[in-house]
Amino acid sequence: AQSVTQLDSQVPVFEEAPVELRCNYSSSVSVYLFWYVQYPNQGLQLLLKYLSGSTLVKGINGFEAEFNKSQTSFHLRKPSVHISDTAEYFCAVTLPLGGFKTIFGAGTRLFVKA
Amino acid sequence: AAGVIQSPRHLIKEKRETATLKCYPIPRHDTVYWYQQGPGQDPQFLISFYEKMQSDKGSIPDRFSAQQFSDYHSELNMSSLELGDSALYFCASSRIRDRTNNEQFFGPGTRLTVL
Repeated sequence: AQSVTQLDSQVPVFEEAPVELRCNYSSSVSVYLFWYVQYPNQGLQLLLKYLSGSTLVKGINGFEAEFNKSQTSFHLRKPSVHISDTAEYFCAVTLPLGGFKTIFGAGTRLFVKA
Repeated sequence: AAGVIQSPRHLIKEKRETATLKCYPIPRHDTVYWYQQGPGQDPQFLISFYEKMQSDKGSIPDRFSAQQFSDYHSELNMSSLELGDSALYFCASSRIRDRTNNEQFFGPGTRLTVL
């Protein structure tokens, strides 16, 4: 079975500072990895995804993530955050084939302070 | 590009009433998934369908049922609604028939409020 652990439930950071949101996963087989952002009272928006290929993945809004197979991690980073980045961020995995469900982490609340 | 469509976007019901949520997958997608996200929670998998057959089942209450129709749209039926059913319900779709990748695309969600 697969599982996702987001190591921080809340991350406060000052505007224009760099940020890293940590995600570790557990799986005995290869997985697809995703980061979603959810603004208050809104749906899930895909930030970026790792399906295969280059381990450094660039997404929208200046975010990027690096897939590290040996450490089973997929940490999300942004070099300089804005107030508008304040939101809930979910790391998620699914299996590449077979119609398996998406498993989400518990979420990390990013709070950007002025 | 076409996305997953969910209707209605917002729904308000009273306790013990019934509700039906609809999901229209991306064209040519054959698999539909339903997720429930309670307040302050991560999305939890409820149920999925492939080619109109239930393919996986998660933490879906017995009061809920779902099906996938011949045009691949899906409906989630919820009866005897409880206050705790208030949540955001997401639908996602993917295409697995020809063994393409299982990337799932999420709809905007239906926000159900039970009063």
